[in-house]
Amino acid sequence: EVHLLESGGGLVQPGGSLRLSCAASGFTFSTSAMSWVRLAPGKGLEWVSAISDSGRNTYYADSVKGRFTISRDNSKNTLYLQMNSLRAEDTALYSCARDIREGRDNYGWFDPWGQGTLVTVSS
Amino acid sequence: DIQMTQSPSSVSASVGDRVTITCRASQDINSWLAWYQQKPGKAPKLLIYTASSLQSGVPSRFTGSGSGTDFILTISSLQPEDFATYYCQQAKSFPLTFGGGTNVEIK
Repeated sequence: EVHLLESGGGLVQPGGSLRLSCAASGFTFSTSAMSWVRLAPGKGLEWVSAISDSGRNTYYADSVKGRFTISRDNSKNTLYLQMNSLRAEDTALYSCARDIREGRDNYGWFDPWGQGTLVTVSS
Repeated sequence: DIQMTQSPSSVSASVGDRVTITCRASQDINSWLAWYQQKPGKAPKLLIYTASSLQSGVPSRFTGSGSGTDFILTISSLQPEDFATYYCQQAKSFPLTFGGGTNVEIK
């Protein structure tokens, strides 16, 4: 069974940092592009970042560009999101998702998603 | 960025009803559209991709249609397990963007 399990969330002060992890199992991680998507309280879904299967190509939402870094370790079947200079508006449930859209440099069909890890940015 | 606008934001319906949710893109996205279902406390679930392709394991009462800028998700006969929030999402270009969601509530 395909499974994604996020960890690393928590309470952090504005300006602080966190690193999220997403442990993948049940599929060939090294051949799947991955994304992070967040759900803020009272708001809708927001795509945050994507990474190619090799890790060579990365993409970011404007709202996090320059502050967040997506990476992966295919030997550990793990996806990461390094979040720096955190702001109150980054408070959200962060989920990782496997991208099942076929073709090189094609992104956007997310299945499955993990349950998410909660990030709260507050003083 | 491509803006995705869903309507209605909320709909009240009864079991057995036909429910239609619309999604409009701010520019032509061909058929690069997905629909997701999210229940409280659960991860979103992919229902439809490429505007009209049913994801494996999704009941056939869910259908997607449209291309270009206007898209529709139809639930032909609403079941108790279908009460949830539904999101559209474009995959034409980065940044990938979602609609604001449609909450399907029990009437």
